[in-house]
Amino acid sequence: GGIITQTPKFLIGQEGQKLTLKCQQNFNHDTMYWYRQDSGKGLRLIYYSITENDLQKGDLSEGYDASREKKSSFSLTVTSAQKNEMAVFLCASSIGKNTGQLYFGEGSKLTVL
Amino acid sequence: GQQVQQSPASLVLQEGENAELQCNFSTSLNSMQWFYQRPGGSLVSLFYNPSGTKQSGRLTSTTVIKERRSSLHISSSQTTDSGTYLCAMELSSGSWQLIFGSGTQLTVMP
Repeated sequence: GGIITQTPKFLIGQEGQKLTLKCQQNFNHDTMYWYRQDSGKGLRLIYYSITENDLQKGDLSEGYDASREKKSSFSLTVTSAQKNEMAVFLCASSIGKNTGQLYFGEGSKLTVL
Repeated sequence: GQQVQQSPASLVLQEGENAELQCNFSTSLNSMQWFYQRPGGSLVSLFYNPSGTKQSGRLTSTTVIKERRSSLHISSSQTTDSGTYLCAMELSSGSWQLIFGSGTQLTVMP
């Protein structure tokens, strides 16, 4: 089996700060995703990538950048942290071909002071 | 409006009771998935279910694509089943994203 590793697990930043979350997967999956989950709500897609150096915007991409330099890694940057950015960010991967079964990391919890 | 409606929003059971969780979709879908989210955040895939019925242990997922609905049945619930259950649908348009419901928070009491 494989694993998805997200770092850091907890991230504390200041309002207006640029913050980066990292995700690594060893499934050798083509497609990777970043989702955001607000308290008591479902997940919303921020960015996804179907192959190395590919980037596709999800419904929630405004205020974020993403980067897929290698097949195994996908990073997400909050360009200017806002008070309402307190959320859990979840990275996922799938083998490709439509969406397929998704595998998730443990999540990164962002708190903005 | 919301494309994925999950019900109930929360459910409390005594250990040993059965649970039936529902998802209804407002648009055409290719497939759907059920996830379990542990307290603390990590999601685990339970079923990837384009259509029909799938069973894994005490869990059974039934999806009827034409009727745009899916259910998750948990039999003989255990305290370790507590957590949040999320369904998600893959749109027919092949948009490479899942649309998630808000989840059912399940609490199983000893």
